[in-house]
Amino acid sequence: KNQVEQSPQSLIILEGKNCTLQCNYTVSPFSNLRWYKQDTGRGPVSLTIMTFSENTKSNGRYTATLDADTKQSSLHITASQLSDSASYICVVKVDGGNNRLAFGKGNQVVVIP
Amino acid sequence: NAGVTQTPKFRVLKTGQSMTLLCAQDMNHEYMYWYRQDPGMGLRLIHYSVGEGTTAKGEVPDGYNVSRLKKQNFLLGLESAAPSQTSVYFCASSSGQVDFGELFFGEGSRLTVL
Repeated sequence: KNQVEQSPQSLIILEGKNCTLQCNYTVSPFSNLRWYKQDTGRGPVSLTIMTFSENTKSNGRYTATLDADTKQSSLHITASQLSDSASYICVVKVDGGNNRLAFGKGNQVVVIP
Repeated sequence: NAGVTQTPKFRVLKTGQSMTLLCAQDMNHEYMYWYRQDPGMGLRLIHYSVGEGTTAKGEVPDGYNVSRLKKQNFLLGLESAAPSQTSVYFCASSSGQVDFGELFFGEGSRLTVL
C-alpha cells in the first residue's frame, strides 16, 4: 500500500475557478511534506514545503495546509490560470538519515478557458 | 544556470541493446538520484548516491546499474534493455539534510524499448 495517497486523481476546472488537492499520508516518523508541480514534459519543481509545526503556507496563488495529527495536507489553487495545468505531486520526507522520500502518484489538473 | 542536465532526451532501443543515461549537476550537491515515471505509477526510485564513489539500490533497481565517479555526474546504465524499461527517466539532486530534502530534477529522458 502506498504511503502517500492523493485525490482526486484528475480534475478539470474552468479558468478563474479555485480547486483543492488532497494528500493523505501514513509515513512515520514525519519530517516534512513538499508539493511539487510537474508541467507536461518537464521535471517536477518544488512549490512549497510544510514542516511539522506549520499549518498553512502560501506561494502566490498556491496555499498549502498541513494537519500533522490527521496526516493530511491540501494544496489550494486560487483563481486558476491555464498555466496551472500540470500534475501536482505530494512528497513526504521520512525523519532520519539518507533523505528517504515517499511519493504520491500526483493530481492531474487541467484548466480550460 | 543549468541545474540538472540529462542526456539524451529521447532514445529508442531494441530489446537486448545497452545504453547509458548521463546526469550532470552544477550545484555541488552531494545526493543524486535516478527515478522512473510511468503512467499511474508515480515516481519510483531506481538507484541513488549519497556522495562521490557511492551508490545504493532504490525501490526498483533490477536491470539497471549506476556509477558516480565524479561528484557532479551520475550515470544510469541498462545492460540489456527490455520493453518493461520503456519509461521516462528523471535524474535529481539534493544537497542532503540541510535543505529539508528538496529535489532538483532534470527535464527527463524518454526511453522506448521495442
